[in-house]
Amino acid sequence: KAGVTQTPRYLIKTRGQQVTLSCSPISGHRSVSWYQQTPGQGLQFLFEYFSETQRNKGNFPGRFSGRQFSNSRSEMNVSTLELGDSALYLCASSFDRGPYNEQFFGPGTRLTVL
Amino acid sequence: KNEVEQSPQNLTAQEGEFITINCSYSVGISALHWLQQHPGGGIVSLFMLSSGKKKHGRLIATINIQEKHSSLHITASHPRDSAVYICAYSETSGSRLTFGEGTQLTVNP
Repeated sequence: KAGVTQTPRYLIKTRGQQVTLSCSPISGHRSVSWYQQTPGQGLQFLFEYFSETQRNKGNFPGRFSGRQFSNSRSEMNVSTLELGDSALYLCASSFDRGPYNEQFFGPGTRLTVL
Repeated sequence: KNEVEQSPQNLTAQEGEFITINCSYSVGISALHWLQQHPGGGIVSLFMLSSGKKKHGRLIATINIQEKHSSLHITASHPRDSAVYICAYSETSGSRLTFGEGTQLTVNP
């Protein structure tokens, strides 16, 4: 089976722009979670999607949004980019929701905001 | 105070040494995850455990639910084990993970 894929892998944007990141989960996986990793804050949870519905959201401003499609693919969007949004954005998929499901991580999208 | 505390933050070892990384958490959890992150960012799940002990090759993970503590052991360490090791917990519902700050392990030949 192919692993979790994320596109694009690298992205450079300027302040004020918006960006859309894409995540394709492992075939058959229905749950997708997004995480932000920065040197200062480490890994932080952004959102969790299951069956096209956002099930959980981390402590991030409303500029961060996402969605999940019927094929379980997910996108996240960041509007009005700020310098502090520069980070590695990781998505992870699991077969089902729940704390006992192993999560499989994608390679990440490295976003640089200038 | 972080909900997940890892120690040490940095660890340098010689090839062949036995390595232990510790993780303490302050809340009730459903499962504890050990993850490995290599330079470049990719994260690999090593273990998910909710009780006892698990072993994969040279890696062993243990958890003590009453003491809210988990350890990751690497036997006969090798330079290819050099990576950041991260512990994380999952809560009673959903798939959300809360992470520790990670332990940077360097194994010298």
